[in-house]
Amino acid sequence: GAGVSQSPSNKVTEKGKDVELRCDPISGHTALYWYRQSLGQGLEFLIYFQGNSAPDKSGLPSDRFSAERTGGSVSTLTIQRTQQEDSAVYLCASSLFGTNHNEQFFGPGTRLTVL
Amino acid sequence: ILNVEQSPQSLHVQEGDSTNFTCSFPSSNFYALHWYRWETAKSPEALFVMTLNGDEKKKGRISATLNTKEGYSYLYIKGSQPEDSATYLCADDYKLSFGAGTTVTVRA
Repeated sequence: GAGVSQSPSNKVTEKGKDVELRCDPISGHTALYWYRQSLGQGLEFLIYFQGNSAPDKSGLPSDRFSAERTGGSVSTLTIQRTQQEDSAVYLCASSLFGTNHNEQFFGPGTRLTVL
Repeated sequence: ILNVEQSPQSLHVQEGDSTNFTCSFPSSNFYALHWYRWETAKSPEALFVMTLNGDEKKKGRISATLNTKEGYSYLYIKGSQPEDSATYLCADDYKLSFGAGTTVTVRA
């Protein structure tokens, strides 16, 4: 079956512009996660959606970052007024909550470059 | 500050040699520990999920052990091959915390 997909694969934007990153999780997966990896850094948790529960936004680095998950499926991560330090690979993952201790399946990522 | 720490950050291994590296995590409120392999230009892929103290999991030449009381896990690669070159990530499921990874480069 289809895995997690993300679009675009690469995004180059100018400082101050808004960007939207999309994630299509595996069909039926109830949990969806956003992470980012900045150059030379580890994987940084951003936000977590589980079913109809309020999302865990504790990892969002600033109020310029927001995410939505519509209809319990597709998610969009929005970064407003992008800054150069937002440049990173943004990864999305999904899991079937309660299965195999929430093993996560990752998408290919979106490489964001802010000039 | 990372709750989950991995060491070393990187290591170089000669083809055919065996190696191991460490993931340490908070031992309180332990739920599960995940190991992932992240090859360049690919998505992270799950290797193991470990839950019980003393657990040992194996997949081919790669194995992992778990000590939940002292809060560490070891990943072992036996007879390293160039295709083992990747960044190996561990994650504490309770806080969704990933370590910074250990990048393994196997030299032919």
